[in-house]
Amino acid sequence: GQQLNQSPQSMFIQEGEDVSMNCTSSSIFNTWLWYKQDPGEGPVLLIALYKAGELTSNGRLTAQFGITRKDSFLNISASIPSDVGIYFCAEFTGANSKLTFGKGITLSVRP
Amino acid sequence: EAGVVQSPRYKIIEKKQPVAFWCNPISGHNTLYWYLQNLGQGPELLIRYENEEAVDDSQLPKDRFSAERLKGVDSTLKIQPAELGDSAVYLCASSLWHNEQFFGPGTRLTVL
Repeated sequence: GQQLNQSPQSMFIQEGEDVSMNCTSSSIFNTWLWYKQDPGEGPVLLIALYKAGELTSNGRLTAQFGITRKDSFLNISASIPSDVGIYFCAEFTGANSKLTFGKGITLSVRP
Repeated sequence: EAGVVQSPRYKIIEKKQPVAFWCNPISGHNTLYWYLQNLGQGPELLIRYENEEAVDDSQLPKDRFSAERLKGVDSTLKIQPAELGDSAVYLCASSLWHNEQFFGPGTRLTVL
């Protein structure tokens, strides 16, 4: 089946820094989604991308749908302590309405 | 607007015991999903309901797992009997549009 690759598994940054995460796949996707999961909670949708090349912002978050349709990037600018959590990329397949998640990247922000 | 509600939040049981999880989706959301999340992994779909009908249960281990959504609103996921490897977080989600799924806080199951 299709797999989404996220690496590294963990990232450590200083408060105020910018951080970039990417997600890659060997398959072409039509929809990229980025979720954040706080400890003890379910994932929360941050940004949805529907077209190759699309660049979308949500506050300090910006995500892009790669031109090849095999990757996506999430950027967080001016990080703050509440940005701590696990960031998942996910792909939505319309044919069977299935959401497939990557393994996630755990972000730590040092004050 | 209330989000997806799940109970219990935590459950500890001994292996071979039965366990059930309950989910109440966001009002008006016809589609309900149950996901399994193992430590260090992303959620994986177990079953999807459109109203009362289970339209995708291909990933549900049917020998020990069962689910129901009798009136097309809330849903129950059951494991009987539980095994050590079932220890995980069980997430419920609902949606109006399939690509925008809203997740509940999950039930963390520990099987001893």
